[in-house]
Amino acid sequence: GESVGLHLPTLSVQEGDNSIINCAYSNSASDYFIWYKQESGKGPQFIIDIRSNMDKRQGQRVTVLLNKTVKHLSLQIAATQPGDSAVYFCAETYNQGGKLIFGQGTELSVKP
Amino acid sequence: KAGVTQTPRYLIKTRGQQVTLSCSPISGHRSVSWYQQTPGQGLQFLFEYFSETQRNKGNFPGRFSGRQFSNSRSEMNVSTLELGDSALYLCASTLGSYNSPLHFGNGTRLTVT
Repeated sequence: GESVGLHLPTLSVQEGDNSIINCAYSNSASDYFIWYKQESGKGPQFIIDIRSNMDKRQGQRVTVLLNKTVKHLSLQIAATQPGDSAVYFCAETYNQGGKLIFGQGTELSVKP
Repeated sequence: KAGVTQTPRYLIKTRGQQVTLSCSPISGHRSVSWYQQTPGQGLQFLFEYFSETQRNKGNFPGRFSGRQFSNSRSEMNVSTLELGDSALYLCASTLGSYNSPLHFGNGTRLTVT
């Protein structure tokens, strides 16, 4: 199957700080990108998406940045809260409907 | 609006048996995709169904199969279970157009002994 990596990187931040989670995607032709949050015992939850004709998109407390030149995606979370603790996945696709290629995930730990 | 519902939540099976997992998509969603999640391989795409037809397929053996019904509900089947099939199986639904986000259920945890 298609997947990236075996080890889960971890990011530890203090409550109230801003968090930045990075992702390197694999296919230069990918034109749609999504960030998901997965809490223990639950399925991935949609956070925010971005199309390749955009460089930046903002949601509530979250911002996604896309750098197509270096195939890099980042998720910024403002004023991180304990409830933000979870594993975050980036996903990419190119005209493949429900077929997403997921990154390895980053575990975010928020210290109170 | 109700989310994606997967049943059962947990399953324990023996090697060689077969298993059927069920998924009810969000109302109005016509595409259903299945993913396997393991600690070692992460999230891997199994297949996608749209309007009762398989639209995309991942790199899994033929023991993994699926189908979609006219009401968009989907099932996946795994035959001749192997220990390595132990995983969280996730179902996701979307409206069906390209570049629309997938919404996931909470998965079925399959343990093969």
